[in-house]
Amino acid sequence: NAGVTQTPKFRILKIGQSMTLQCTQDMNHNYMYWYRQDPGMGLKLIYYSVGAGITDKGEVPNGYNVSRSTTEDFPLRLELAAPSQTSVYFCASNPSNSPLPFYGYTFGSGTRLTVV
Amino acid sequence: DAKTTQPPSMDCAEGRAANLPCNHSTISGNEYVYWYRQIHSQGPQYIIHGLKNNETNEMASLIITEDRKSSTLILPHATLRDTAVYYCIVSSIQGAQKLVFGQGTRLTINP
Repeated sequence: NAGVTQTPKFRILKIGQSMTLQCTQDMNHNYMYWYRQDPGMGLKLIYYSVGAGITDKGEVPNGYNVSRSTTEDFPLRLELAAPSQTSVYFCASNPSNSPLPFYGYTFGSGTRLTVV
Repeated sequence: DAKTTQPPSMDCAEGRAANLPCNHSTISGNEYVYWYRQIHSQGPQYIIHGLKNNETNEMASLIITEDRKSSTLILPHATLRDTAVYYCIVSSIQGAQKLVFGQGTRLTINP
């Protein structure tokens, strides 16, 4: 049971480049989330999904896009990278209304992105 | 979602109980109190949650006041590995169950 897997772990992008951050979970969780964390700050929600084919914006969605074609995968797309997107990105999943016990969100190990 | 207030930092001696306070005076009736922690730059880790009753698991205890406006996370015998940023979050278990993270409390366990 791998949990939530994020790739890549590190990436350096040039301004204007595009990339996709991958997130996969093998726990059959319905809910998935993308957060970003700037240095010394708490996590901010970018996008979330409550099931395949359903996504919605969080607090800081500008500059990002997501899709959810399967329960397992929730990729985050950066179209035109900007220095302000330099951050650590965390993907998480949540079993939603599964029967108890409740174990909370499961987070991935993060992707550290630098835009130069 | 209701906002929470936590002290920015705390220290605790190894082996002692660490008591982390959290104020959530605007909590709604259907909102739970969740605690997560983040060790160094890893992904946050779920610790415990509760609605109105005190809760205990293998990691910690959660004490919620009767009016639900504040809570305390208790790590009964803190170890050096408990050094982390601890986040207190209130969120409804209905809907998308989004978590809104504040700045948290940076807990340092001293030898």
